[in-house]
Amino acid sequence: AQSVTQPDIHITVSEGASLELRCNYSYGATPYLFWYVQSPGQGLQLLLKYFSGDTLVQGIKGFEAEFKRSQSSFNLRKPSVHWSDAAEYFCAVGPSQTGANNLFFGTGTRLTVIP
Amino acid sequence: GAVVSQHPSRVICKSGTSVKIECRSLDFQATTMFWYRQFPKQSLMLMATSNEGSKATYEQGVEKDKFLINHASLTLSTLTVTSAHPEDSSFYICSASIGGFGYTFGSGTRLTVV
Repeated sequence: AQSVTQPDIHITVSEGASLELRCNYSYGATPYLFWYVQSPGQGLQLLLKYFSGDTLVQGIKGFEAEFKRSQSSFNLRKPSVHWSDAAEYFCAVGPSQTGANNLFFGTGTRLTVIP
Repeated sequence: GAVVSQHPSRVICKSGTSVKIECRSLDFQATTMFWYRQFPKQSLMLMATSNEGSKATYEQGVEKDKFLINHASLTLSTLTVTSAHPEDSSFYICSASIGGFGYTFGSGTRLTVV
C-alpha cells in the first residue's frame, strides 16, 4: 500500500538558516513525488515534483528536493529560509495504485521561521 | 493556467442544514475532480473522486448520502454537505487532475457547523 511519512511535525529555523524537511514514502512502483506548501486557510501550491530523470529537482521559491530510491526518500531543502516561508509543507506521492490517480499526502510539517 | 476557483472560502451554518461548496475550473476542462477533507493540523484525506457525467467514487468510510458530489459539467463540481453536524466542521479542498499527473487545487472552504 502507498503511504507517505513526514517524521517532523514542527520545525523552527532562524531566518537565513538552511532547511531540510524529511519525507519517506512507501510505494509499489516508481512513484511520482510532490511537495506542496499551504499557508493558513489556503489551498495548496506546488513547489516541485519528481517524475523521472535527474534525481535533484528544482522548484519555485528557491526550494529543491532530492529523490533517493535506496532510502525511499524525497527530502525538501532550501539553503536560506525567508520569513515568508513559514507555512505547512506537505509531501505527496501518486498516483494511487488503486486506479483513482489521486495523491496520498503526508501529515505535513509546520515550519516556523524566527527572526 | 489551470486554475480552480473554490467557493465559498468560509461558511458557518446551523446544525441540520445543508451547505454546497463549488469548484470551477476557469481555464481548462476538469474531467476528474478530487475532494479532500483536512482536519486541524492533519493531512488531506481523500473523500471522493468524481468524473464528469458519472457517479462519484467514495473512499471507504465516507457517507455518500451525507456528502453529495455532483460533476455535471467539465467546469463545475459541487460538494453538498447534507444535514451538517458539528463533527462535519473541517477544511474541504477540491483538486482537479490536469493531465500528466499534474494537479491543481482550490483555495479551500472552511466549514463551521454550529
